[in-house]
Amino acid sequence: AQSVTQLGSHVSVSEGALVLLRCNYSSSVPPYLFWYVQYPNQGLQLLLKYTTGATLVKGINGFEAEFKKSETSFHLTKPSAHMSDAAEYFCAVINSGGYQKVTFGIGTKLQVIP
Amino acid sequence: EAQVTQNPRYLITVTGKKLTVTCSQNMNHEYMSWYRQDPGLGLRQIYYSMNVEVTDKGDVPEGYKVSRKEKRNFPLILESPSPNQTSLYFCASSLSGQGTYEQYFGPGTRLTVT
Repeated sequence: AQSVTQLGSHVSVSEGALVLLRCNYSSSVPPYLFWYVQYPNQGLQLLLKYTTGATLVKGINGFEAEFKKSETSFHLTKPSAHMSDAAEYFCAVINSGGYQKVTFGIGTKLQVIP
Repeated sequence: EAQVTQNPRYLITVTGKKLTVTCSQNMNHEYMSWYRQDPGLGLRQIYYSMNVEVTDKGDVPEGYKVSRKEKRNFPLILESPSPNQTSLYFCASSLSGQGTYEQYFGPGTRLTVT
């Protein structure tokens, strides 16, 4: 079984401040991990992913995330928030065992305050 | 343009009236999936398909049916819709394997069952 926990359904940051969105997972086998972003009234689009290799992954729009196996975490960060980052962010896990059942977290809505 | 399309985008119907939401992708992806998005619950997987004629249940399959007769299409069928199926539905597709797994999402279908 696999699961995803996103701590904080709503996060507010000031423009220019650090963005930190938390994601913890559980998986019986090595996971594939993803962050997706959803802008209002749109579908989801991929921000970044971790499958194998380097544990620090960089994505679009200046976001990055680090896979920490010992902490079962995949937190999303951005050094300086921009107004255009206001959106909902979803962490997702796929079991690398080959069955593509996908589990998403409940999402974190990011508000950027001018 | 590579894309996932869904139709209709908005649908209001009554309890018990059978409906189908279509999903089509033009990227020759093997994997397709349906999700529902509800406030506070994030995205939950309804059904997924690894390839033509291969489908499997996700986390919330009750009340839904799917079929995969062609690689590009993956319709979602509600044979007797109920108000608790009022939701925002997303179709997604991805390559199956080659270490990719990132999903491409359609624009969503907002369904209201009265």
